[in-house]
Amino acid sequence: AQKVTQAQTEISVVEKEDVTLDCVYETRDTTYYLFWYKQPPSGELVFLIRRNSFDEQNEISGRYSWNFQKSTSSFNFTITASQVVDSAVYFCALSEAGSGGYQKVTFGTGTKLQVIP
Amino acid sequence: GAVVSQHPSRVICKSGTSVKIECRSLDFQATTMFWYRQFPKKSLMLMATSNEGSKATYEQGVEKDKFLINHASLTLSTLTVTSAHPEDSSFYICSARWVATNEKLFFGSGTQLSVL
Repeated sequence: AQKVTQAQTEISVVEKEDVTLDCVYETRDTTYYLFWYKQPPSGELVFLIRRNSFDEQNEISGRYSWNFQKSTSSFNFTITASQVVDSAVYFCALSEAGSGGYQKVTFGTGTKLQVIP
Repeated sequence: GAVVSQHPSRVICKSGTSVKIECRSLDFQATTMFWYRQFPKKSLMLMATSNEGSKATYEQGVEKDKFLINHASLTLSTLTVTSAHPEDSSFYICSARWVATNEKLFFGSGTQLSVL
């Protein structure tokens, strides 16, 4: 069975601080996908990143960066120089890789980030 | 980018009535759509996988007769909550799988259902 753990329920930071959101996952699959999604107060889910299990290269996109450590089953997300607009709930997710692509997506419980001006 | 439209965004209904939620992929064909339910301050729980032209696959514990899913075309899946009760009040989100985009999932904006 798959499981995604986001131990941080809520985080508050002051604007311009860096913040790291933790994600630890469990799966028996050797091939899988990891995701991060952002859910602003309006409710919609915004895709941030998808990472294949065989690609451990870290990725940076603007103020966002992701650290994938297969050895510790972690896929942490760092926001550099946080802004008020970053305030949202962030979900880490995992999907198995069935034939033709991934199937079910298992979400973590989310981390609510509040950036204080 | 690809857009998934979900309608309505908010619905309030009386107990015992049925509510239909639509999920449309606007600029791509989605052979597979997923329906999630999110309780307040909780994660998203997969309810069912909707496959175009065939029966939906429900997750364990989800009542298929209560949550009717129809995926009649490559761009539309509907979720009907039949005989809704207050415990069905929740945030429902659909997602569509677009194979051409290296299989990203695109999410709708969600529907907040409140059953009085």
